[in-house]
Amino acid sequence: EQLVESGGGLVKPGGSLRLSCAASGFSFSSYWMTWVRQAPGKGLEWVANVKQDGTDKYYVDSVKGRFTISRDNAKNSLYLQMNSLRVEDTAVYYCAREARLRYSDVWGQGTTVTVSS
Amino acid sequence: ETVLTQSPGTLSLSPGERATLSCRASQSVTSNYLAWYQQKPGQAPRLLIYGASTRATGIPDRVSGSGSGTDFTLTISRLEPEDFAVYYCQQYGTTPRTFGQGTTVENK
Repeated sequence: EQLVESGGGLVKPGGSLRLSCAASGFSFSSYWMTWVRQAPGKGLEWVANVKQDGTDKYYVDSVKGRFTISRDNAKNSLYLQMNSLRVEDTAVYYCAREARLRYSDVWGQGTTVTVSS
Repeated sequence: ETVLTQSPGTLSLSPGERATLSCRASQSVTSNYLAWYQQKPGQAPRLLIYGASTRATGIPDRVSGSGSGTDFTLTISRLEPEDFAVYYCQQYGTTPRTFGQGTTVENK
C-alpha cells in the first residue's frame, strides 16, 4: 500500500499548481482520500477530502474557492488543483487514505509547495 | 469546528520513562473518533491509535490511548529511543478534520 505525491514546486503569489498522488497496492476506488499540509516548522492542517466516487468533497475554510480536490479512479490518482496561491499556502502537502472508519492510515511522503515572489 | 489543544508542548524525558500526553477537545468528539499520529523529522505522520484506544497495525503495546468525550490521553509506558518524536491528535468525527498543535517528546 503506497501513495506517491508529485507536482510541488516554486510558484509566485496568485499562481496555480496541480498536485498529484498516485496510489498502488490497494483498491483506490474503495476509499475516501484526503490532503493534509504542514507549513515549515508548524503542525499538521487538514486541507480537503473526497468520497470514493468523487461526488462529495469537503474543504478547510482557508482554501475554499481556491483549491479543488478530485480523483480519477481509473488511474488510481488523487489531485489537488491550487489556484490563487498565497504565501501562507507554502507547505509540504501529504495525501492520505482514509480507512473505513475515516482516520488516515496510509500516508505519502509529501511534496513541497513554495509560494514566493 | 472542534479545536484540539495538546499539552504539554514539550516533554523532556529519558529512555525507560513513562510519557503521558494530553489532548483536550473544545466539544465532545463524535463517537470518540480520535486518532494519534507520530511524526519524525523529514517523515510523514504515522498512525498510532484510532478510535481513541485501538492500536494501529504494528504498534507495540507500550503505546496506549484512552479517554472519551473531550479528554484523551496517549501513554508510552517505557520510552524507547525511537519514540522521541512529535505526536499529534486528530479528530475525524466531523468536518473539518482538525489536529492538535502537537507535543514534542524529547530526549532529556
